[in-house]
Amino acid sequence: EIVLTQSPGTLSLSPGERATLSCRASQAVSSSYLAWYQQKPGQAPRVLIYGASSRATGIPDRFSGSGSGTDFTLTISALEPEDSAVYYCESFDKPPRYTFGQGTKLEIK
Amino acid sequence: QVQLQESGPGLVKPSGTLSLTCAVSGGSISSYDWWSWVRQSPEKGLEWIGQISRRGSTDYNPSLRSRITMSIDKSRNLLSLRLGSVTAADTAVYYCARHGGFFQDVWGQGTTVIVSS
Repeated sequence: EIVLTQSPGTLSLSPGERATLSCRASQAVSSSYLAWYQQKPGQAPRVLIYGASSRATGIPDRFSGSGSGTDFTLTISALEPEDSAVYYCESFDKPPRYTFGQGTKLEIK
Repeated sequence: QVQLQESGPGLVKPSGTLSLTCAVSGGSISSYDWWSWVRQSPEKGLEWIGQISRRGSTDYNPSLRSRITMSIDKSRNLLSLRLGSVTAADTAVYYCARHGGFFQDVWGQGTTVIVSS
């Protein structure tokens, strides 16, 4: 079973700054199987990035994903107030199973 | 576009069975390959429960496998989840979601289930 560890637990930044969120897997993950989600209070998660680096439909280009193997990163290039949320990474492995990280809470000052 | 709506009892007694449905609208359930159930609690975070294909094939989280049944009703565009022998640890928000590949691209709004006597 893959374990995903996200860091930092909480990130507090100002509008316009760059946010870098990390997701580390306990074993290698195919890039095709790594996704990032954004979740705001009272809402369901929303997919931002899939396949480690592909933006989902309608996601602004300030969101980008990178990484391979066991280390993956979500970068938000210029923070907007509405980016305040919890961000989760997710992986797929076999036998079919999805695993989520514990989340990074991003606060916009 | 496709929308999902979960429904079911908000309160289930310990040792009882949790039964939820997910209504799919805006498209045919048969047009998409896989559908998942995911739950979220403060204690465990987001937890994948399992998935079901449009043909009815299932894959379950090993930690829950002995207690889960998922089904699909193509005539009614409905997904169903049954979780037996529930305890307080099963208290969570339950989501259904559509697969866009190896990720979930459309989610329902979620339904809260509390296990308590």
